[in-house]
Order: sequence, then C-alpha cells, then structure tokens
Amino acid sequence: GQQLNQSPQSMFIQEGEDVSMNCTSSSIFNTWLWYKQDPGEGPVLLIALYKAGELTSNGRLTAQFGITRKDSFLNISASIPSDVGIYFCAGHFYQGAQKLVFGQGTRLTINP
Amino acid sequence: DAGVTQSPTHLIKTRGQQVTLRCSPKSGHDTVSWYQQALGQGPQFIFQYYEEEERQRGNFPDRFSGHQFPNYSSELNVNALLLGDSALYLCASSPAGSGGSYEQYFGPGTRLTVT
Repeated sequence: GQQLNQSPQSMFIQEGEDVSMNCTSSSIFNTWLWYKQDPGEGPVLLIALYKAGELTSNGRLTAQFGITRKDSFLNISASIPSDVGIYFCAGHFYQGAQKLVFGQGTRLTINP
Repeated sequence: DAGVTQSPTHLIKTRGQQVTLRCSPKSGHDTVSWYQQALGQGPQFIFQYYEEEERQRGNFPDRFSGHQFPNYSSELNVNALLLGDSALYLCASSPAGSGGSYEQYFGPGTRLTVT
C-alpha cells in the first residue's frame, strides 16, 4: 500500500535554530499536507501543497512539493518553544482520493 | 466560528462492548472522515462520509461502521470491541464543494480505552 517515510523520527534542538524534516514515498502523491499535533490534541493543518515544485510559506514555516511528486520537506526557521510537538506529513495518493495517508511523524523537542 | 467538535473526550469500555463516537464538522463543511491513531503512530483512515453515504473505506473490519446525518454530523460505531481498538479516534471535516477532501481539519479526538 501507499506509505510515507518521514525523517528524522525525532529532533532535539536549541531555541532559535532552524529545523528541516522531510517525507518520501515510493509512489507519486497528488497533494502534500503538513500537520502539527500537540499532546492530547488533534492534528492542526499548517500548509497544503498541490503542485509539483510548489513552495509555500506560513510565517516561519516553509514547505515544498518535490518535483518528482514523491517527496516533500518542511522547514521551520528560528524555532521557538511553542514549535514543540509532533509534525506529520500526509498526502493523497491520487486525484479524487478521499483518504489521507500519514507519515509516522517527527517529534520536535526544543531546549531553551 | 466553531471548529470540529467531538464527543466524548474520553471513554473506557470493556472487551466485547459496543461504542458510539460523535462528530460535528466545522461550519460550512459537508464531508466527514474518521481516523484511528494508535499511540506513537500517524492517523489511519477508517472511512469518509459525504451526502450521508460512505464514500471510501480504509482497511478496517466491518465492526467499524458509521453514519452521517442531514446536518452533516457523523457517528462512528465500533462493535465487539477488542483490546487493540484502544486508540485516539479523530474526526476530520472538509470544505463543501471541494470535490474531494484535500484540506482536512481535525477535531480534538476521542480517547478510547478498552479493558
């Protein structure tokens, strides 16, 4: 089935550092979405990408839809304590697909 | 503008029992999807409801069933509960007229514990 491999699984950084995480698949994906989940909460949509090569920003967050349509990355600049949480990539496998396929998540920890 | 709401927040059930979880979509959304999230994992798609019908289903047994009401709210029913059904159950809604469910907005989830 469709699987998304997210890396790294966890990150430990200092406040103010930049963060980069990525998501890859052996299959072509039609859309890529990035979510953040805090403990005990549901995932919150950060960025949605629809076209190969698309680069989209949301404040300090920037995400790109890979040219091959098999990968995506998320960058966070100048990290702050509230960036702590689990980041998930997700995507739709084909046009018209209803289900989102999720990666395993990247757990971000920030040392003040 | 109320977001996606789910009830109850937490639930404890015994093996073999049945459970019903409820979801109200975000205002203006007509499509509801349900996901199961085991501890330390990403959410797994259960099924999606649109126009009161199941539109797509993930790899879950028939013990998992759902319903969508005319006001777009939805229920997830799980019969004959197993210990492995313990998880966070997430509801997500999508904007009306999207033609799909590209941007899904999640509720806070219902934590189900089966003992």
